Amino acid sequence: DAGVTQSPTHLIKTRGQQVTLRCSPKSGHDTVSWYQQALGQGPQFIFQYYEEEERQRGNFPDRFSGHQFPNYSSELNVNALLLGDSALYLCASSLLASGTPGELFFGEGSRLTVL
Amino acid sequence: DAKTTQPNSMESNEEEPVHLPCNHSTISGTDYIHWYRQLPSQGPEYVIHGLTSNVNNRMASLAIAEDRKSSTLILHRATLRDAAVYYCILRKGNTPLVFGKGTRLSVIA
Repeated sequence: DAGVTQSPTHLIKTRGQQVTLRCSPKSGHDTVSWYQQALGQGPQFIFQYYEEEERQRGNFPDRFSGHQFPNYSSELNVNALLLGDSALYLCASSLLASGTPGELFFGEGSRLTVL
Repeated sequence: DAKTTQPNSMESNEEEPVHLPCNHSTISGTDYIHWYRQLPSQGPEYVIHGLTSNVNNRMASLAIAEDRKSSTLILHRATLRDAAVYYCILRKGNTPLVFGKGTRLSVIA
């Protein structure tokens, strides 16, 4: 059973460009969350998607947007990249309908470097 | 969000027990205590969670103080593979995880 898979694993962009990161959740999971992890810090919550809609959002600007597809996979888009957007972007999946605090399964992340 | 406080770093010898403390004095009655860990170059992974009673699973044990203002993650026999950053997180229901800086555990052979 494949866990959470993310692509690409590494990428380099320049300031002002746009980037799309992709995530396939663990089989059977219906919810995808995205986190940003700067070097030496804990992950910070960006947003959560469930039933193809953004359900919760952290303190991130509108340059950060996302999408969830009918097969539960998800994309994170970042426009007008800044140097400060350089980070590890983590995708986590869970089953929202479990009714109890569901365990989150994380992927290994996409490392974005903005030059 | 209720805040947790953890030591920045801890060290343990291989094959010895490790007790990782977490203070959460402002915890509310509906907050679950979650522990995740992040091994080098990997995403975080779930370790254990509990509400009021102590919990055991194949990875670790979670001891929760009677007043719930603190908890301790116990690794019964540390191995080199347990070297990681350990995060103690309070969470209501399925709300997003709010990570702090965690405790960096070093395991010495």
